[in-house]
Amino acid sequence: EIVLTQSPGTLSLSPGERATLSCRASQSVSSNYLAWYHHKPGQAPRLLIYGTSTRATGIPDRFSGSGSGTDFTLTISRLEPEDFAVYYCQQYGRSPWTFGQGTKVEIK
Amino acid sequence: EVQLLESGGDLVQPGGSLRLSCAASGFSFSNYDLTWVRQAPGKGLEWVSDITGGDGNTYYADSVKGRFTISRDNSKNTLYLQMNSLRAEDTAVYYCARVPRGWYYFDYWGQGTLVTVSS
Repeated sequence: EIVLTQSPGTLSLSPGERATLSCRASQSVSSNYLAWYHHKPGQAPRLLIYGTSTRATGIPDRFSGSGSGTDFTLTISRLEPEDFAVYYCQQYGRSPWTFGQGTKVEIK
Repeated sequence: EVQLLESGGDLVQPGGSLRLSCAASGFSFSNYDLTWVRQAPGKGLEWVSDITGGDGNTYYADSVKGRFTISRDNSKNTLYLQMNSLRAEDTAVYYCARVPRGWYYFDYWGQGTLVTVSS
């Protein structure tokens, strides 16, 4: 199976700052089938990005995704209060579908 | 508005069984593949099982194969997960989610239901 490793584990930033989250795959992700999710405790996870760089419906343009092959990045250009959460990457190029272990973005 | 609502989570003893349900609304249920994903305490997300919309083909993670059964009732817009031979490591919040048109990322999720396996 494809193992996804996210870094850093925790990112401490202030509102308004830029966040850069990394997701590295143990094998090349087919057709860049890589998604990102936002998750707060007790809430439903929310799809942010699919196909490496396509924003899901209703997702603001401060969220952007990039990368290819084994290295992918989620960038949040200016953090809003609601953005402080855990972010997961997920590959859907090869079954079993796998997730990274998550990056927590916390308020500094 | 797409909505998914899980239910059925409970405290169960090791070796026991439980059936989870996921009631869906706001979309043409039978036309979509659906999935179960779980999150153990303090851990990340783990894909559990898929079921296709049209022909009901099923797929499972190795960790649950032979113990869990995914099914759906298109007349009731409901997804199920029958969990047998439960183990402590199955303790998790279980989420149902929708698969958009065959591409296996997940565009809508429920809020989850907690399954605790403990004596």
